[in-house]
Order: sequence, then structure tokens, then C-alpha cells
Amino acid sequence: AQRVTQPEKLLSVFKGAPVELKCNYSYSGSPELFWYVQYSRQRLQLLLRHISRESIKGFTADLNKGETSFHLKKPFAQEEDSAMYYCAPVNYQLIWGAGTKLIIKP
Amino acid sequence: NAGVTQTPKFRILKIGQSMTLQCTQDMNHNYMYWYRQDPGMGLKLIYYSVGAGITDKGEVPNGYNVSRSTTEDFPLRLELAAPSQTSVYFCASSNQDSPRGYGYTFGSGTRLTVV
Repeated sequence: AQRVTQPEKLLSVFKGAPVELKCNYSYSGSPELFWYVQYSRQRLQLLLRHISRESIKGFTADLNKGETSFHLKKPFAQEEDSAMYYCAPVNYQLIWGAGTKLIIKP
Repeated sequence: NAGVTQTPKFRILKIGQSMTLQCTQDMNHNYMYWYRQDPGMGLKLIYYSVGAGITDKGEVPNGYNVSRSTTEDFPLRLELAAPSQTSVYFCASSNQDSPRGYGYTFGSGTRLTVV
């Protein structure tokens, strides 16, 4: 099946440290991917769209077709970044990543 | 704009009972989806709809039914609830073209426990 994989269920880093949330994909065609974030007790929200190459809340993500990856990065983590992060395919028929719980320690 | 509204937020069902999870969107989106989120797992697509009167199965449709009589509403029906259906359910919507641009708009979720 064509799917997105997030290898880390939990990632814990100290405030101010760099963060990288991994996402790998297996597609037969051209991938189109998002990053979604779910803060505690809130609904899923769109964080990044790979086509826009934008930076939201200091996060960036680059689509690396050679490594089939779309890792989410932030140079300096903040406590409010603690949340669940999902790498998601644009095509709803494809399988989402299982999510990575990011914990920022003070 | 309310976006996507789901009710109820919480529900406890006994095995064998039935219920309907309601989902309404006011953005005139033609695509709507139902996902379940199990602990430690990603979202799994239950059913989706590409417009009023059109529905189709997703990855995990067994034990569920849907209908789409209007653009706004996409209820999810659980018949004969089982403990395996204990999960958090999310409804989402999108425009046909917006998944590429703007992604999905999610509801706040329904936490269902079957005992």
C-alpha cells in the first residue's frame, strides 16, 4: 500500500534544542504531503503544506525525493511546540503516518 | 464560520448498542471524511464522500455506515457496537481542489468508549 511512515512514536528534546520529526513515504507517483499538529485537547490543524515551502511557527519541511522523506525541522524548540505531529498524504485514500508525540522539556 | 462541527464530544456505549455520530460543515465543501484514531496509531479512513448522495468505503469500514443526503451533513452510524470500536472519531472536510492547497478541516472529535 502507498503510505507515509513516521518512525518515532515519541521524541523528547530540551527547550532551545533543534527538533527533527521524521517522515518517510512510499509512493508510486509524485507525493504531495502535509504536516498536521494536534495540541492537547484541540483538533488537528494544518501546519505545513509541502507545495508552499512556507515556515510556520518556525517549522520547515523539505520534500527530498531522493530519500523519499519530508522531515519537519525547527532550529530552536519551544515549550509550546509540545504536541502530536502527523505527516499526512494529500490523497485521502492513502495511509497517514502514526504520529510522533513531541515533548519539549524546560 | 463554525467549520466542522461534531457531536457528541464523548459517549459511552454498551456492547450491542447503536448510535450516530453527527458531523456538519458550513464551508460548502464537497468532500467529507470519517477517520478513527486509536491510541498510538495514525488516522484510519472509515468512509468518505465526494458529494451529496455519493459515499465510499475507506480502509476500515466494517461495523459502520454513512449517508450523505446534503452537502453539509455526513453522519456516521455504528450498529451493534463492539469494544474494538472504542476510539476517537474525527470528521473532516475539504474542497475537491483544496487538499493540495489547504488540506482538510477537522472537527474536534468524538471520544467513544464501548463497554
